Amino acid sequence: DAGVIQSPRHEVTEMGQEVTLRCKPISGHDYLFWYRQTMMRGLELLIYFNNNVPIDDSGMPEDRFSAKMPNASFSTLKIQPSEPRDSAVYFCASSLGSVYTFGSGTRLTVV
Amino acid sequence: QKEVEQNSGPLSVPEGAIASLNCTYSDRGSQSFFWYRQYSGKSPELIMFIYSNGDKEDGRFTAQLNKASQYVSLLIRDSQPSDSATYLCAVNIKTGANNLFFGTGTRLTVIP
Repeated sequence: DAGVIQSPRHEVTEMGQEVTLRCKPISGHDYLFWYRQTMMRGLELLIYFNNNVPIDDSGMPEDRFSAKMPNASFSTLKIQPSEPRDSAVYFCASSLGSVYTFGSGTRLTVV
Repeated sequence: QKEVEQNSGPLSVPEGAIASLNCTYSDRGSQSFFWYRQYSGKSPELIMFIYSNGDKEDGRFTAQLNKASQYVSLLIRDSQPSDSATYLCAVNIKTGANNLFFGTGTRLTVIP
């Protein structure tokens, strides 16, 4: 298995632009998680899905953030409009049970 | 109070020594506990997990859990320079849920 695949690896965008991060989970995994990592706050859970259904989005910081999982093999995290304080590494992880596998992350820089 | 707390370090140990990493959690009902290792610029990778009070050993790594004290630790024996990384403690806080809360991590440096 290729593991959890995220794209792009790096994204630099201007403030106010829309940003879409993508994730392909491991086949057969029934949970998908979006995390954001910063030096100050560490890994923060933004939202997670079970069998493509959003279960808990209480970690989504603002209405500017939205996430979808249209099928078992694809999820997106969208930020519109982006702001400099959104700059972070965004990780997607999938799991079957409690053992997570993380993707390589997307490093987002908003200038 | 944060759900999961770790000393951010940095923690420096000489090669061959035992490194001890500690973590406390706030929810007494927490059920499962995980240690992840994250190299700089990389994604977290699972080292081991523990569910029951006591010790669990896997090679050079030992996880220790004390639910009464709400405390979980990771010991690394015979530390190697390749163990230099940030170690993240994660806790499944809500019974029946599958989401993990992570500490901010402890940065470990093993000095050759």
